[in-house]
Amino acid sequence: AQSVTQLGSHVSVSEGALVLLRCNYSSSVPPYLFWYVQYPNQGLQLLLKYTSAATLVKGINGFEAEFKKSETSFHLTKPSAHMSDAAEYFCAVSLNTGNQFYFGTGTSLTVIP
Amino acid sequence: NAGVTQTPKFQVLKTGQSMTLQCAQDMNHEYMSWYRQDPGMGLRLIHYSVGAGITDQGEVPNGYNVSRSTTEDFPLRLLSAAPSQTSVYFCASSRQGDFNSPLHFGNGTRLTVT
Repeated sequence: AQSVTQLGSHVSVSEGALVLLRCNYSSSVPPYLFWYVQYPNQGLQLLLKYTSAATLVKGINGFEAEFKKSETSFHLTKPSAHMSDAAEYFCAVSLNTGNQFYFGTGTSLTVIP
Repeated sequence: NAGVTQTPKFQVLKTGQSMTLQCAQDMNHEYMSWYRQDPGMGLRLIHYSVGAGITDQGEVPNGYNVSRSTTEDFPLRLLSAAPSQTSVYFCASSRQGDFNSPLHFGNGTRLTVT
């Protein structure tokens, strides 16, 4: 069975500070990992994806994530938070045998001016 | 390019009423799915389809029916609405069999059952 754990349902950072959102997965086979962002009253948008080509993945809006197999983690980071980064962030995993995506419970990011 | 379109955006139902949530995509994606989003629970898969005429159950299928008569459309039916079905519903699509293909989401339908 696959699962995704996001530590911290709410994270607050000051504008300009480092953003770190944590994601750990459990999978019996190599997973494909994604981060999505959801702005208020909108659907989810893809931030970045890991598909085994490189362990450090760069996404949109200055976000990046590093796949660490030994730690079964795929944490999302951004060096300097911007007010527009305030949103809900979801980590998701899928297998290469199908299209079933498993989502974490989400982390709400607040950026303090 | 419209992507994934969901209608309606908002709906209020009384217990026992039925309704259909519409989802259409114009990207020729074989895979389509329905999720519900509840506070603290993330997104949970209700039903999915890997092509016209093929559907399967996800994690929380009870109380919901789907059909897939065309590649473009994947409606979700609530036959007898219950307050527990109050939620935000998202339709999503992607290319089938391509693990590199992310999900494309609609903007959601906010359903309240009283």
